[in-house]
Amino acid sequence: EPEVTQTPSHQVTQMGQEVILRCVPISNHLYFYWYRQILGQKVEFLVSFYNNEISEKSEIFDDQFSVERPDGSNFTLKIRSTKLEDSAMYFCASSEQGRWETQYFGPGTRLLVL
Amino acid sequence: AQSVTQLDSQVPVFEEAPVELRCNYSSSVSVYLFWYVQYPNQGLQLLLKYLSGSTLVKGINGFEAEFNKSQTSFHLRKPSVHISDTAEYFCAVSENNNDMRFGAGTRLTVKP
Repeated sequence: EPEVTQTPSHQVTQMGQEVILRCVPISNHLYFYWYRQILGQKVEFLVSFYNNEISEKSEIFDDQFSVERPDGSNFTLKIRSTKLEDSAMYFCASSEQGRWETQYFGPGTRLLVL
Repeated sequence: AQSVTQLDSQVPVFEEAPVELRCNYSSSVSVYLFWYVQYPNQGLQLLLKYLSGSTLVKGINGFEAEFNKSQTSFHLRKPSVHISDTAEYFCAVSENNNDMRFGAGTRLTVKP
């Protein structure tokens, strides 16, 4: 069964550094998403991406964040100048059609900012 | 904007007992409703979803949920739980062409 994969599974970085989280969505899916889950808190929507551009973003997704689909398979989330409060689990998801279609989630990347 | 409230942060239950995890939402428009499960150290897995049609939705692993528009609820139920159902359960709502909002989650612990 096809699945969404994410790398790395864990990332430790120093405050102020840039990190890139990578995701490989399911191959025939057209919509891609990033969510984050701060430890002990709810899953929060960050951004959705379709047709090579951002279609929706939350208030969390400020200028510190950017997304990119650099090739036909990868979908990346870049966090510039990380802050302590960026420590969280970051989930990538993809869906075949729109946002109301089933979103398939990856296993997540646990980011720790020191 | 839509929001989701999961009324119980933790639900302990004995094996083979029935369980109901409560979810209420608020929205001014039509919504799509979802339940996801998160097992320890894993990503989110869709249990079931309501888009339209029958208000009783059946999902995987024997779970079902009922959409009640008048009470703006979408409670998740299972008639007999197993130890393996121990996990975090998230209710989520999506308005038309809008982002998906998750509830805070309910931790279901099934005891032998």
